[in-house]
Amino acid sequence: SAVISQKPSRDICQRGTSLTIQCQVDSQVTMMFWYRQQPGQSLTLIATANQGSEATYESGFVIDKFPISRPNLTFSTLTVSNMSPEDSSIYLCSVEVWGERNEQFFGPGTRLTVL
Amino acid sequence: LAKTTQPISMDSYEGQEVNITCSHNNIATNDYITWYQQFPSQGPRFIIQGYKTKVTNEVASLFIPADRKSSTLSLPRVSLSDTAVYYCLVGVPMNNNAGNMLTFGGGTRLMVKP
Repeated sequence: SAVISQKPSRDICQRGTSLTIQCQVDSQVTMMFWYRQQPGQSLTLIATANQGSEATYESGFVIDKFPISRPNLTFSTLTVSNMSPEDSSIYLCSVEVWGERNEQFFGPGTRLTVL
Repeated sequence: LAKTTQPISMDSYEGQEVNITCSHNNIATNDYITWYQQFPSQGPRFIIQGYKTKVTNEVASLFIPADRKSSTLSLPRVSLSDTAVYYCLVGVPMNNNAGNMLTFGGGTRLMVKP
């Protein structure tokens, strides 16, 4: 299993500013994932972060807007840059653990509101 | 990636069995089927995973017919605390940088009433 923590749990930001979200895992993992979940909607994958290499972004998401760092096997950050109200959402990080079954573990999420 | 289709919402009453069906007509040979549960203000949580036939654990059963084009999550004797959104995912499990089980569909919003 894996226990994931995120900071901050929530924030209210002004338009045009940036926010960096931290994700900490209690064990070493190869890949970490960042999702966005808009109110009442499903989860959308933003990018996959592999330690030691550039993150891989999904269609519709770009590095300039959502830069990601992955400095080691237990930590990652996602920055939401030049924010607008449309970026108001919950941002979740997750890891995937392969054992008897393949399972994703999710952090509690960061609730971002942009004014 | 196999696309999944689920009912948007379902209502049930405490003590009833709830069956949520997910359609995945273009499932690939190597794809597994995984269900997650999400409560408000929390990240999704793994419920069950299967490849074929039937899988049962302490919280649910997963029924997969021979053609694997659909699957049914069965929750026995639901309680109010089972009110949540349930997601069906289809894909190859991630292992050593491979796999693609990362796409969440719309999910099914289950409301359990007293």
